[in-house]
Amino acid sequence: SAVISQKPSRDICQRGTSLTIQCQVDSQVTMMFWYRQQPGQSLTLIATANQGSEATYESGFVIDKFPISRPNLTFSTLTVSNMSPEDSSIYLCSVAWRDRGRETQYFGPGTRLLVL
Amino acid sequence: GENVEQHPSTLSVQEGDSAVIKCTYSDSASNYFPWYKQELGKGPQLIIDIRSNVGEKKDQRIAVTLNKTAKHFSLHITETQPEDSAVYFCAATLTGFQKLVFGTGTRLLVSP
Repeated sequence: SAVISQKPSRDICQRGTSLTIQCQVDSQVTMMFWYRQQPGQSLTLIATANQGSEATYESGFVIDKFPISRPNLTFSTLTVSNMSPEDSSIYLCSVAWRDRGRETQYFGPGTRLLVL
Repeated sequence: GENVEQHPSTLSVQEGDSAVIKCTYSDSASNYFPWYKQELGKGPQLIIDIRSNVGEKKDQRIAVTLNKTAKHFSLHITETQPEDSAVYFCAATLTGFQKLVFGTGTRLLVSP
């Protein structure tokens, strides 16, 4: 499976500021995704990070709030802009990996964000 | 769109007992059903998955069953151990290259 790392692992931020989260994969992957996990909740897809083009956002998530970059097949960033306490969550990147001919998704360790 | 329901929300068992977690999905087009284990402070870890062309898959103490007609799938853990304690999520999607729709999670506690 792919090895996925995220930076930072956690952060405490003031409201109104922005934080950029990095996701690095040790192999080239076709699909990368960003999910949000609110405290004690399940995972919800924010967007699909497309290499070389604009990300595809899910309903309820907008580019101005969550700009995403994906400059190559191993790296992506998610920015949480103009943060409020409601943005306190775990942010997870995932990659779709073809394992023995079958597609599978793996997750990074997550970035734990607390907004004060 | 797809909707996944998961039960129970919490499950407490004694070490050595079996644990079963059940999920139902709404979109008959879904073909890929992974299960993830999330320990405190960590990202979700894929533990087993099943595709619609099979009805059951087993990996040591873990098994998953799928009933496409009824649109439900289940995770079975036998001979539970304290290290199995975690939150388990089921998910459904068309293929592994597409967005996962997750269930609400089951907190499993295995007592020694």
